[in-house]
Amino acid sequence: AQSVAQPEDQVNVAEGNPLTVKCTYSVSGNPYLFWYVQYPNRGLQFLLKYITGDNLVKGSYGFEAEFNKSQTSFHLKKPSALVSDSALYFCAVRDSGTYKYIFGTGTRLKVLA
Amino acid sequence: GAGVSQSPSNKVTEKGKDVELRCDPISGHTALYWYRQRLGQGLEFLIYFQGNSAPDKSGLPSDRFSAERTGESVSTLTIQRTQQEDSAVYLCASSYAGTAHYNEQFFGPGTRLTVL
Repeated sequence: AQSVAQPEDQVNVAEGNPLTVKCTYSVSGNPYLFWYVQYPNRGLQFLLKYITGDNLVKGSYGFEAEFNKSQTSFHLKKPSALVSDSALYFCAVRDSGTYKYIFGTGTRLKVLA
Repeated sequence: GAGVSQSPSNKVTEKGKDVELRCDPISGHTALYWYRQRLGQGLEFLIYFQGNSAPDKSGLPSDRFSAERTGESVSTLTIQRTQQEDSAVYLCASSYAGTAHYNEQFFGPGTRLTVL
């Protein structure tokens, strides 16, 4: 069965510091991995995805994520956090053999000025 | 261009009544998804449409839930005999499903359903 875990409900980081939002997954086939962001009073927006190829993928707003097959992880990172990055972040996985996407429970990122 | 739209934005209903939620996907997007997001929880997959067909209905919680799509466009999610546990935000998303079919989804603003 597919599953996604976001172990942290909330991450606090000071503005200008690097940030990491963690995600681990479990699938039986090859994983398709995604990060989405939900800003207050706005719908979910796509940030980045890993399908195949280079393990480090770059996305919108300066975010990047690293696919680690041995650790079954896909952590979201940004070298220097902005207050405007404060939002709810969701990791999602799809097993290559299915149409079904599984979303994590979300991690609330709070960037402090 | 226009994004994914959903209506109504809010719906309050009494237990036992039927409700119908509507989703208008982005034009040309053949894939359409419905999700449920309960307060403080992640997104729960309900159903996937490719065109007007639903190859994966595995997430529908019970036979009170049904969905259809017509014209490879509008989709409606119907909940019959609503229960209080159906209270949630119902999200619709669409994507361009090319041959590889792993494109990002574009989400609508959701319908907040409250069952009293």
